[in-house]
Amino acid sequence: ETGVTQSPTHLIKTRGQQVTLRCSSQSGHNTVSWYQQALGQGPQFIFQYYREEENGRGNFPPRFSGLQFPNYSSELNVNALELDDSALYLCASSYPGTVNTEAFFGQGTRLTVV
Amino acid sequence: DQQVKQNSPSLSVQEGRISILNCDYTNSMFDYFLWYKKYPAEGPTFLISISSIKDKNEDGRFTVFLNKSAKHLSLHIVPSQPGDSAVYFCAAPVGHNAGNMLTFGGGTRLMVKP
Repeated sequence: ETGVTQSPTHLIKTRGQQVTLRCSSQSGHNTVSWYQQALGQGPQFIFQYYREEENGRGNFPPRFSGLQFPNYSSELNVNALELDDSALYLCASSYPGTVNTEAFFGQGTRLTVV
Repeated sequence: DQQVKQNSPSLSVQEGRISILNCDYTNSMFDYFLWYKKYPAEGPTFLISISSIKDKNEDGRFTVFLNKSAKHLSLHIVPSQPGDSAVYFCAAPVGHNAGNMLTFGGGTRLMVKP
């Protein structure tokens, strides 16, 4: 059973550019969420995808968007990058079916916007 | 408005002693809580959880206590080991059957000294 994997691990972009981050969910998990963790803070929920549809969204602007593919892998896209977008981006997968299931996180992508 | 708060950004304890990490929440609708542990350059890993129908859950050296009237939970680690040195986050799902839509506290960095 493979865990959650994210790519790339590190990325440097220029303000105004666009970025795509990728996530492969844990085997059998059909729900993927993305989180942003700024330095010294806890992760903040961006959005969740379930069966290729956005299933919930946190307090993030529309320039943060995502996709989920039939194999349950996912992408996070951020347009018009701002300096404050510099953070660790975490992907987490889970399998709904019980009332509460823990999420399994990838190692994250460290994005630096200069 | 942060619904889950960890007011101690860091904690230092001696190996073999008890570590107590605290977490407060504001939303009385939360009915499930999770603790995650995060090492540098790794994603958060699930540690232990508790349902609001319980006031205590124990797993080996780790025990979580929930005081609903005070909207407070704590994680006890006994005995503490140097390998426990990490950042600990408490979290709560923000909706029913939303195990992967989590709101996190800001984290507490635990340092266990040999």
